[in-house]
Amino acid sequence: NAGVTQTPKFQVLKTGQSMTLQCAQDMNHNSMYWYRQDPGMGLRLIYYSASEGTTDKGEVPNGYNVSRLNKREFSLRLESAAPSQTSVYFCASRESQPQHFGDGTRLSIL
Amino acid sequence: AQSVTQLDSQVPVFEEAPVELRCNYSSSVSVYLFWYVQYPNQGLQLLLKYLSGSTLVESINGFEAEFNKSQTSFHLRKPSVHISDTAEYFCAVSLLRGSTLGRLYFGRGTQLTVWP
Repeated sequence: NAGVTQTPKFQVLKTGQSMTLQCAQDMNHNSMYWYRQDPGMGLRLIYYSASEGTTDKGEVPNGYNVSRLNKREFSLRLESAAPSQTSVYFCASRESQPQHFGDGTRLSIL
Repeated sequence: AQSVTQLDSQVPVFEEAPVELRCNYSSSVSVYLFWYVQYPNQGLQLLLKYLSGSTLVESINGFEAEFNKSQTSFHLRKPSVHISDTAEYFCAVSLLRGSTLGRLYFGRGTQLTVWP
């Protein structure tokens, strides 16, 4: 049972490049979330999707876009990467409590 | 607005000693409470949760936390730690009502380091 799978695990980008982080869950959960983790800041919510077809902004949405492709998949896109977006990105899903997390994508922007 | 405060960013302790990681929250509505653990270069794993019922909740590896509604706290304790408990611990809350139902609000984390 894979749970929440994130790809890629690591990525290095140059400033201005774009990329999409992928997330898929196999637990038939309705709600999915994208967080970023920075040292000393805990996890902050970027975007979430309460159900298929809906997305909403979280605490720190600027510079990101999301797509809820279907019930399983929720992608996060950086259109023009900036050094301030260097972080570890986590995807999570839930049906009821608690949320289940993927292993993260470590993204460095030079 | 809701917030979660973890009072210690780092807690060093010797093996077999007791430990307490402190967490306080503020919210205008009732909450669910969680502790997650993150081992180096890994994702977050649920350690324990309080949803309702008994205010003392326990995990399978010896941690426990007590929900204190009057002090709005959910401190994590273990009577005797092991080196393998070295990790970062996050306290989080989820609101029972409101437009942000289901999302988690995290504290900034406490790095627990257990020395031999």
